[in-house]
Amino acid sequence: QVQLQESGPGLVKPSQTLSLTCKVSGGSVSSRGFYWTWIRQVPGKGLEWIGHIYYSGKTYYNPALESRVTMEVDTSQNQFSLKLNSVTAADTAVYYCAREFNFSGSGSYPDHWGQGTLVTVSS
Amino acid sequence: DILMTQSPSSLSASVGDRVTITCRATRDIRMYLNWYQQKPGSGPKVLIYGASTLQSGVPSRFSGRGSATDFTLTISSVQPEDSATYFCQESYSDAHTFGQGTKLEIK
Repeated sequence: QVQLQESGPGLVKPSQTLSLTCKVSGGSVSSRGFYWTWIRQVPGKGLEWIGHIYYSGKTYYNPALESRVTMEVDTSQNQFSLKLNSVTAADTAVYYCAREFNFSGSGSYPDHWGQGTLVTVSS
Repeated sequence: DILMTQSPSSLSASVGDRVTITCRATRDIRMYLNWYQQKPGSGPKVLIYGASTLQSGVPSRFSGRGSATDFTLTISSVQPEDSATYFCQESYSDAHTFGQGTKLEIK
């Protein structure tokens, strides 16, 4: 069973960079057919897809966040990461990492999720 | 940008009721539509992908239909454990936009 676990600071100052890592167990980030994804949720609100990365390093970002987002994959450590720069209070959210299955026909969907980690942007 | 609009925003149902949630896209997304269930304190769980394919392990009382811009999630006979918030999501565009959610309360 694939498991994902987010880690990183729970508090980030405005204008700084939010950095999170997602450790994968029970599966490999090098598996074909899967993307490795970040999604966030403002507490009590809706979900926002941030982007995903393939094992090759190819990235796909939400255009609304693209200018501030960097994702990387580390196959040797079986993990992937998210950096979001120039953060503001609007970036305060629960950040989830997930494995996203790319199926033939009609798209992709996250089938395994981490538990989520709350990141607060505040001075 | 594709916007995803769910209706209703919330609803209340009794055990055994048939419940339908609608999701509408602002442009054609073919069948690139997923449905999720989220309970408080947990991440979302996929129920339906590709508009109508039931994810393995999900009870058969959940079903999805639709294509292009109009989609539905139906629970044929609501159970107490179905109390949750339900989200749709398109995976057609670069933004993979989610709907705003529908909160289902069991009376």
